[in-house]
Amino acid sequence: ETGVTQSPTHLIKTRGQQVTLRCSSQSGHNTVSWYQQALGQGPQFIFQYYREEENGRGNFPPRFSGLQFPNYSSELNVNALELDDSALYLCASSHGAENSPLHFGNGTRLTVT
Amino acid sequence: GDSVTQMEGPVTLSEEAFLTINCTYTATGYPSLFWYVQYPGEGLQLLLKATKADDKGSNKGFEATYRKETTSFHLEKGSVQVSDSAVYFCALSDPTGGGNKLTFGTGTQLKVEL
Repeated sequence: ETGVTQSPTHLIKTRGQQVTLRCSSQSGHNTVSWYQQALGQGPQFIFQYYREEENGRGNFPPRFSGLQFPNYSSELNVNALELDDSALYLCASSHGAENSPLHFGNGTRLTVT
Repeated sequence: GDSVTQMEGPVTLSEEAFLTINCTYTATGYPSLFWYVQYPGEGLQLLLKATKADDKGSNKGFEATYRKETTSFHLEKGSVQVSDSAVYFCALSDPTGGGNKLTFGTGTQLKVEL
């Protein structure tokens, strides 16, 4: 069983640039969620995709957007990067049923300078 | 809105000591409760969960009981090992809002020394 994989593992961008982070969900999972984890903090929910449709969004501005593909992999796009966007971005997949366990990837560490 | 509060760390213990990490929550509905563990450089791993009041979740010697009357889900282990050193996150999932969104606490770092 292949787990959740994220790429790249580390990324450095300049303020104002755009970034795309990628996630391959665990085999058999049809739901993908994205979380932002600032240093020393708990993960904060960004949004969730179920069968290619956004299915819940946290308190993040529209410059955070996403996609889910037919194979259930996903992308997180962030436009007009700000210094405060520096964080670990975690992707998690699940079966999609309520309260089904989330399986997390190891994350992408984004640094904005 | 939903929130989770957990004790601040770091918590430093000697090997074989008893561990308690406190967690309390606020939710509008009837949430499920979780403990996740994060080892250095890795993502989060589900440690245990409980889906209704009075349920006890357990795994790898860790336990937590869903207490609705005190809105708590404290994590306990009778005898910690050096390999338990990690950051522990308490989280809730409230289906009232739809989807499968988790609300996390800020995490508690545990350091176990020989």
